[in-house]
Amino acid sequence: EAGVAQSPRYKIIEKRQSVAFWCNPISGHATLYWYQQILGQGPKLLIQFQNNGVVDDSQLPKDRFSAERLKGVDSTLKIQPAKLEDSAVYLCASSLGNRGGIQYFGAGTRLSVL
Amino acid sequence: GNSVTQMEGPVTLSEEAFLTINCTYTATGYPSLFWYVQYPGEGLQLLLKATKADDKGSNKGFEATYRKETTSFHLEKGSVQVSDSAVYFCALPGGGADGLTFGKGTHLIIQP
Repeated sequence: EAGVAQSPRYKIIEKRQSVAFWCNPISGHATLYWYQQILGQGPKLLIQFQNNGVVDDSQLPKDRFSAERLKGVDSTLKIQPAKLEDSAVYLCASSLGNRGGIQYFGAGTRLSVL
Repeated sequence: GNSVTQMEGPVTLSEEAFLTINCTYTATGYPSLFWYVQYPGEGLQLLLKATKADDKGSNKGFEATYRKETTSFHLEKGSVQVSDSAVYFCALPGGGADGLTFGKGTHLIIQP
């Protein structure tokens, strides 16, 4: 079974530029999550989708971050414009959608904002 | 919302030593509890979970027991190996939807 796919693996941009990350979850997984992991910290949930609807985006900085999950499969997370403090690893995870179920993580995209 | 506190590292042990990584939580109700591990250069992966009080999760020689009296979920292993060197995260659902809230992570270093 293929795991959660993310691309790109690495991205370097200058502040005020825009960037987008892509995630393809495990086939059949209804729930998709985006997390931000700053160096030395645990992942922090940014947004959770159930199929193509948003379940929780309370910690998403909506003035600069946006995410979509069209057709309830792939998802894209965008930052526009980027700030220095956005430097982090962006992790995508998916699960079947049952409460307390296991989340499976992708390898992440490491973003450096210069 | 729910929160978790875990001991910070790095924790350095010799091979075959006994390991304990402390994790305590604050939660509404009795959510599932998780330990995730991040090996060097790899993504997060589930190590073990427990879904209710007094449950013991186990995997790869690691164990953790869901203690509601002490609100703890400490990770233990009787004899660690060099290959156990990684960052370990304690986690639980955040309290609203089931996105996870993670501890800061404990970097474990096992020396031969």
